Amino acid sequence: AQSVTQLGSHVSVSEGALVLLRCNYSSSVPPYLFWYVQYPNQGLQLLLKYTSAATLVKGINGFEAEFKKSETSFHLTKPSAHMSDAAEYFCAVSGGNDMRFGAGTRLTVKP
Amino acid sequence: DTAVSQTPKYLVTQMGNDKSIKCEQNLGHDTMYWYKQDSKKFLKIMFSYNNKELIINETVPNRFSPKSPDKAHLNLHINSLELGDSAVYFCASSQNLAGGPDTQYFGPGTRLTVL
Repeated sequence: AQSVTQLGSHVSVSEGALVLLRCNYSSSVPPYLFWYVQYPNQGLQLLLKYTSAATLVKGINGFEAEFKKSETSFHLTKPSAHMSDAAEYFCAVSGGNDMRFGAGTRLTVKP
Repeated sequence: DTAVSQTPKYLVTQMGNDKSIKCEQNLGHDTMYWYKQDSKKFLKIMFSYNNKELIINETVPNRFSPKSPDKAHLNLHINSLELGDSAVYFCASSQNLAGGPDTQYFGPGTRLTVL
């Protein structure tokens, strides 16, 4: 069985500041890991995914995430937050028969 | 050219009614899913179909019945609606079964409100 835990249901940063959204996973098989973003009143869209190739994964909109097996983590970062980054972010793990999502982290960006 | 579409976008209905939500994907994917997102944004898988065959059936009341007439469509029928069914329901699709690296593509969601 696999699961993910997102630390912090709400993160607030200033425009231009570093964004760090935390995700830890648990999986009995080598995991595939994903970050999805959900803008208000919309469906989820993929930001990036880890598929056992490079441990540092670059995604859309300047986001990236690093797979750290020793820490069972897959934290999402962006060097400089933009107002348009305000959204709900979901970490997800896939390694068995389905995909399991974390509880989500709401990112607020202050001007 | 919407990849995954759902109808209706909003659905408001009375307790006890029966309603359906439709989903279609034009991506040629083999696998489709239904998720429920509650008011706290928690996203939980309900069903998964691969080539019209039920693969995942989580602990969901049997009032919920998915139907896949072909691999491009996965509809969700809900009988005897209850207040707790109020949520946003998302349809998604992927090329292969989840359990691999395939991205899931989500529809825009159907906001169901049960009065």
